[in-house]
Amino acid sequence: DIQMTQSPSSLSASVGDRVTITCQASQDISNYLNWYQEKPGKAPKLLIYDASNLERGVPSRFSGSGYGTDFTFTISSLQPEDIATYFCQQYEDLPLTFGPGTKVGIK
Amino acid sequence: QVQLVQSGAEVKKPGASVKVSCKASGYTFTSNGITWVRQAPGQGLEWMGWISANNGNTDYGQKFQGRVTMTTDTSTTTAYMELRSLTFDDTAVYYCARIRAAIWGLDVWGQGTTVTVSS
Repeated sequence: DIQMTQSPSSLSASVGDRVTITCQASQDISNYLNWYQEKPGKAPKLLIYDASNLERGVPSRFSGSGYGTDFTFTISSLQPEDIATYFCQQYEDLPLTFGPGTKVGIK
Repeated sequence: QVQLVQSGAEVKKPGASVKVSCKASGYTFTSNGITWVRQAPGQGLEWMGWISANNGNTDYGQKFQGRVTMTTDTSTTTAYMELRSLTFDDTAVYYCARIRAAIWGLDVWGQGTTVTVSS
């Protein structure tokens, strides 16, 4: 199975700050990576697909980049409504595997 | 609108089975696969498997082989996941999600079904 790791596991930032999360795959997954947002008590929401493509309706302050084994997710200007856990998911091979998540809070 | 609505919370005893339903609406059911993912308390997401709503083909995660069955009913646009021989470790929130082909993106999720295994 392809293992996904993320860092940091949690962070706190001020409104307006740039926030960056990294995701690393245990083997080359090309750009077969998606990013999700999960808020407490809610189902996850797809934000970014194919490592860098913004899902329709998702604010442009969210972005993704990377290829191979190393990927980055960025919130360019953190907003209060962005408080959530963010996780990556690879689909280079089954089983689908997910990163453990990064919990983003407001300072 | 496109949505997946899951059945309600369940409490089961060890050794029992649970069957969770996932009713799809707002799109052509047979155009997308459905996957099942679970999240145990304080843990990350764990993929259980997926089913093609078009032809019923399935692929289960190795951990769940022999213990899980995923089915669909195209007449009611409902997907089902049955998990047998439950243990305390199966206590989790179970999600169904629609698979967007080509990107294996889970673009529509059910609200989640809490399954509690308790003696």
